[in-house]
Amino acid sequence: NAGVTQTPKFRILKIGQSMTLQCTQDMNHNYMYWYRQDPGMGLKLIYYSVGAGITDKGEVPNGYNVSRSTTEDFPLRLELAAPSQTSVYFCASSQIGQYIGNEQFFGPGTRLTVL
Amino acid sequence: AQTVTQSQPEMSVQEAETVTLSCTYDTSESDYYLFWYKQPPSRQMILVIRQEAYKQQNATENRFSVNFQKAAKSFSLKISDSQLGDAAMYFCAYRRAGSARQLTFGSGTQLTVLP
Repeated sequence: NAGVTQTPKFRILKIGQSMTLQCTQDMNHNYMYWYRQDPGMGLKLIYYSVGAGITDKGEVPNGYNVSRSTTEDFPLRLELAAPSQTSVYFCASSQIGQYIGNEQFFGPGTRLTVL
Repeated sequence: AQTVTQSQPEMSVQEAETVTLSCTYDTSESDYYLFWYKQPPSRQMILVIRQEAYKQQNATENRFSVNFQKAAKSFSLKISDSQLGDAAMYFCAYRRAGSARQLTFGSGTQLTVLP
């Protein structure tokens, strides 16, 4: 299993440009998440999904959009990029239940710089 | 709302020695999970250890163990026989049981291992 994969690994955007960060998991997890990590900080949730067709906002959703058309994929869309969106973005997936680990599995991250 | 506090931004330990990283959390829930994640320079988030709140026994994973004090809402990580590869940022995280929402992360502790 590849686990959680993210593309691209690095990207530089100009102010006002748009892009999509890709995330795919092959563990058949229902739950998927997008976090951002600013320098020296912990991770903050942008959006999450509990299954195909169902998404919800996290702590810091402004300036982002998501979709979940399949169990495997959970792309994050940045519209009108701003310098405040310079960050490292992590995708994660999880399965939730009483007798399983409940931990989240993370992708390798995408480092995004907006100039 | 739940909060997670790591009061030690930086720690250092001599190789082969033992170090303890502190974490406190605030919640009104009785059933939850606690995690320690390691983030090396590669940025990959790696699960180190997990603790279920309903279990009184402290979790252990090889050289890693926790001291879980539920009444005090404290969840410290002990690393024994520290190795150079243990150098990383360590994040404490909380998740309410049965919740599809995110992990709540602390701000992290940067651990340096001195040869």
